[in-house]
Amino acid sequence: QITLKESGPTLVKPTQTLTLTCTFSGFSLSTSGVGVGWIRQPPGKALEWLALIYWDDDKRYSPSLKSRLTITKDTSKNQVVLTMTNMDPVDTATYYCAHKAANWNYALDYWGQGALVTVSS
Amino acid sequence: QSALTQPASVSGSPGQSITISCTGTSSDVGGYNYVSWYQQHPGKAPKLMIYEVSNRPSGVSNRFSGSKSGNTASLTISGLQAEDEADYYCSSYRSSRTLVFGGGTKLTVL
Repeated sequence: QITLKESGPTLVKPTQTLTLTCTFSGFSLSTSGVGVGWIRQPPGKALEWLALIYWDDDKRYSPSLKSRLTITKDTSKNQVVLTMTNMDPVDTATYYCAHKAANWNYALDYWGQGALVTVSS
Repeated sequence: QSALTQPASVSGSPGQSITISCTGTSSDVGGYNYVSWYQQHPGKAPKLMIYEVSNRPSGVSNRFSGSKSGNTASLTISGLQAEDEADYYCSSYRSSRTLVFGGGTKLTVL
């Protein structure tokens, strides 16, 4: 049974760096084809893909946010960490992490419950 | 990075069929058979409904089907039910192991 859960601050100030942790179980991020991605959703708005880290440690980012994002994995702890620098109120959103299926190309088949992050002074 | 284009809203009566379109370019939707569809109820996380254009994960009703023609993918829901009322998002692979989502479509069951 695959589960994922996001954790991190609920409130950050403008210009600060956000660090979110995705803790997962039921799969290994060292298995070929597997990945973990981050997606966000501002209140009342659409999903936006942010980043994805693959089993082979390849890291991919949204072109529009690439300069602000870093994604890393700790396979031994079953965790993936996303950092986003220079936070702004427009970054207020629910942040989700999701499992990229090994055998289903680029499908995110399991999602965490999401973590609401508010950016405000 | 432009999102994929979806209609903002669609509606239908119980028992009817509806189709949601998702238009991209030859660099994403048109270039790969890696389109997924997600259903999201209010306050909930998205749920995968279709992967690789037309495949359903185990447990997803066969009332949901997907297809693609050129740069446009489509999600069809047949035999519309009240529980289908939700937001629907498409996503596609967009080269270099990156992804892109659509702007989302709100489905209203009348």
